[in-house]
This record gives sequence, structure tokens and C-alpha cells, in this order.
Amino acid sequence: EAGVTQFPSHSVIEKGQTVTLRCDPISGHDNLYWYRRVMGKEIKFLLHFVKESKQDESGMPNNRFLAERTGGTYSTLKVQPAELEDSGVYFCASSQHGGTTNEKLFFGSGTQLSVL
Amino acid sequence: AQSVTQLGSHVSVSEGALVLLRCNYSSSVPPYLFWYVQYPNQGLQLLLKYTTGATLVKGINGFEAEFKKSETSFHLTKPSAHMSDAAEYFCAVIEGYGQNFVFGPGTRLSVLP
Repeated sequence: EAGVTQFPSHSVIEKGQTVTLRCDPISGHDNLYWYRRVMGKEIKFLLHFVKESKQDESGMPNNRFLAERTGGTYSTLKVQPAELEDSGVYFCASSQHGGTTNEKLFFGSGTQLSVL
Repeated sequence: AQSVTQLGSHVSVSEGALVLLRCNYSSSVPPYLFWYVQYPNQGLQLLLKYTTGATLVKGINGFEAEFKKSETSFHLTKPSAHMSDAAEYFCAVIEGYGQNFVFGPGTRLSVLP
């Protein structure tokens, strides 16, 4: 069974450009999460999809970030325009059910974003 | 608001020595606690978790952690380090069903020959 896949693994862009990150969750997982780790600090929650709906987007830093999950399958996270402070590792995770107390999140290997 | 602290961003141990990675949390309610590990170029993998019941939790690869409510701690240990344990370890907490994970800043473990 394929795990959570993220593309690209690395992205280097200039300030002001646009970048789109993609996440393919495990097939059948309704819940999809985006997290971010900036400058080696803690991994922070960005948002949570249940199928195609945004369940919680309280962690999105500002309106330069746009996440979509059309059709409830893969998700994209667009940063437009990118700023220097957006550099970091963006993780995607999925789970079959919400309420993660009795199950685990399956994480992708992340996208390393560098904004120059 | 809940938070997680991990003492020591980088810990080095000799092969065969005890591994101790510290995690403390702040939570207004009894939390659910997790340790995740990230090996180079891989995603985070669950090592172990505490939800309810026995406070000493055993995980994969010989790791275990003990939930101590009085100390608000969930330290990760392994009696004997192996070279393959070199990775970054993250402690995480959620306060209840449907809540989101809050992660600590991570501790990078190096194992010296």
C-alpha cells in the first residue's frame, strides 16, 4: 500500500514567486492535514480537511496561503507570493478517521521549501 | 493553550548507552501523548502513544515512555542505543478527540560508535 506522497521533495524559489505543493494521501483516508516546520522549530498545524471540506484552517498564517482538496483526494497548498519567512518543511499527513486518539497519522516525507 | 517542550535540541550518546529524550507538556486536561521519529529523507513515523491505561508505554524498536502526570512529562527511553536510532524525535500532544496535534521542537539524536 502506498503511503502519503508529497511533491516536490524540494523547491527553491525567489521571493515573490508562486509555489504549489501537492499531497496525495493514503487511498481511503478522508482526513488530510498540512503541517509546517520553520527554521528547525516545532511542527505547527496549518489546516485539516475532511474529504473536500476544510474542517479547521486556524493554523494558516495569512491569506498568501491557499489550500484545496478538490474531489476529496489529493490536496494542494499554494503560496502566493512567497516570502522569505515561508521557508521550511511542509508536511502532509492523513488518517482514515478524525479524532486521532486511537489511531495514528501517516506522514509524508515533506517538501523542503526555500525562498531566496 | 497546550504546548510541548523538549529539553535539548541535540543529544549525543554512545552506541550501547542509555537513550533519554525529555518531553514536558502543558495541558489543561489529561492529554494524549505521542512520540514520532523522523529518519533522514522519510516522513514522521509513530514510535508509541499514551491514551489511557498503563502509564508505561512500549513502542517499536525497543523504545518506551512513561507518562507522569505529576511531572507533566512523557520522557522517551531506550536501554541501549543502536546506530540505526540516529534520527530526529518529536513529542506531540492532543487534548482530546478531534483535536489537532501540537508538536515539540524536536530532538536530534546522534549515536556515536
